[in-house]
Order: sequence, then C-alpha cells, then structure tokens
Amino acid sequence: EAQVTQNPRYLITVTGKKLTVTCSQNMNHEYMSWYRQDPGLGLRQIYYSMNVEVTDKGDVPEGYKVSRKEKRNFPLILESPSPNQTSLYFCASSLYPGQDPKVNTGELFFGEGSRLTVL
Amino acid sequence: AQTVTQSQPEMSVQEAETVTLSCTYDTSESDYYLFWYKQPPSRQMILVIRQEAYKQQNATENRFSVNFQKAAKSFSLKISDSQLGDAAMYFCAYRSTGTYKYIFGTGTRLKVLA
Repeated sequence: EAQVTQNPRYLITVTGKKLTVTCSQNMNHEYMSWYRQDPGLGLRQIYYSMNVEVTDKGDVPEGYKVSRKEKRNFPLILESPSPNQTSLYFCASSLYPGQDPKVNTGELFFGEGSRLTVL
Repeated sequence: AQTVTQSQPEMSVQEAETVTLSCTYDTSESDYYLFWYKQPPSRQMILVIRQEAYKQQNATENRFSVNFQKAAKSFSLKISDSQLGDAAMYFCAYRSTGTYKYIFGTGTRLKVLA
C-alpha cells in the first residue's frame, strides 16, 4: 500500500529535550516536505527536499532541522524544543514538481500527522 | 508572493443539500495548480479535487466540483448532496509549476446537519 508513515503520532515532551519525528514514504517520490498546522493559520511549510541531500527552507524553518540521506526518509529534528513548537505536524511527499505538468500535477500525499506538545 | 485566502472559517449545510466553499488566491504566474484537501476528525489529509490552471474546464469528482475563475483568481468548491461524512476541515492549496512551494489557506470547517 502506498503510504507516508510518521512516528510518533503523539508526543509530549519538555522544553529543551531534543526530539526527532521520522517520516518515510514507499512511493519512490523525489519531493518531501514538512508542515505544521496551527488553528487559524492553516498549514505552513517548514522545510522541503527535492531529492537526496537537497533541502531548503520553507516559511517557518526556525527551530527545526531536516536531513535527506535516503530517498524514502525525511526526519524532522527539533534540537531544543520550545512551547511555541507545540503543533500538529505533517510530512508529505510527491513526484518531482518539475516534471511535465501534464504528467505530474504535484499532488501531495500526506502522513497521518504527529501531535507534538512541548511543556 | 502568492497567497491563498479562505474567508469562511465555518460553514453549515443540511444533509442532502448543496454547499459552496470559497477560495481566492493571488499570483502573478500563469501556470499553476489548485487543490482542495479534506481533513476529517481523523486528521488525515485527503485530496478532494485538483485543477490545472491551463485547463478551461472545471474539474469534477462525483459530488464535488469546482468553479475555477482564472481571471478573478477564484477557486470555489461545490459539494452536492451533502453527506454526514463530508463534515471536515477543507483546505484550499496552490502550487506553482515553477517552484516547489505549496501554499495553503487557513481552512473552512464544514458542519453537516442531519
């Protein structure tokens, strides 16, 4: 089954304790990205990756790190979490957006979300 | 910079009736894609419908259809014969063909009344 898998689904942690949210996709997608969802703000992009070893900042990258060492994995790292990073996080993947738009419309496939609470 | 606006934070519809969710966007680009995603209480993000800007014809998927007005930069979602399972948060999203950035609106929560 084609899917994007995130772990953990729920996490409560304390300020300053490093954590990693893993993301893995089995669709051989080149493009992967992370979003955070907050009430009244919709989804905002944190980081994205166009392929292995290629990452770039989205709209709200402060306080986050990512890496893309393998095509299927794109972990989100919070080195020193703070309460303002309490949010619902989504990982998503798609085919390479630069491909022929008549072939690839860039639909995002989302993971199930990770609810993170930082106390 | 592109923006996506959903001006209706919440909407209600009677079961079996029709409802339209609005979305406007701002862009200077001519080639792009627009999407509607549904987020039920399970939190899963589900693609409802997509529209390619180069296509004149409005997209339809069963009970879901869009009214795409390129000149007006408007992309509304019509849900016909509303069902209880349609209750969810709906997000409008934009993607330019020239970038790797997706821009989402703030969402519209749809309630379906039995």
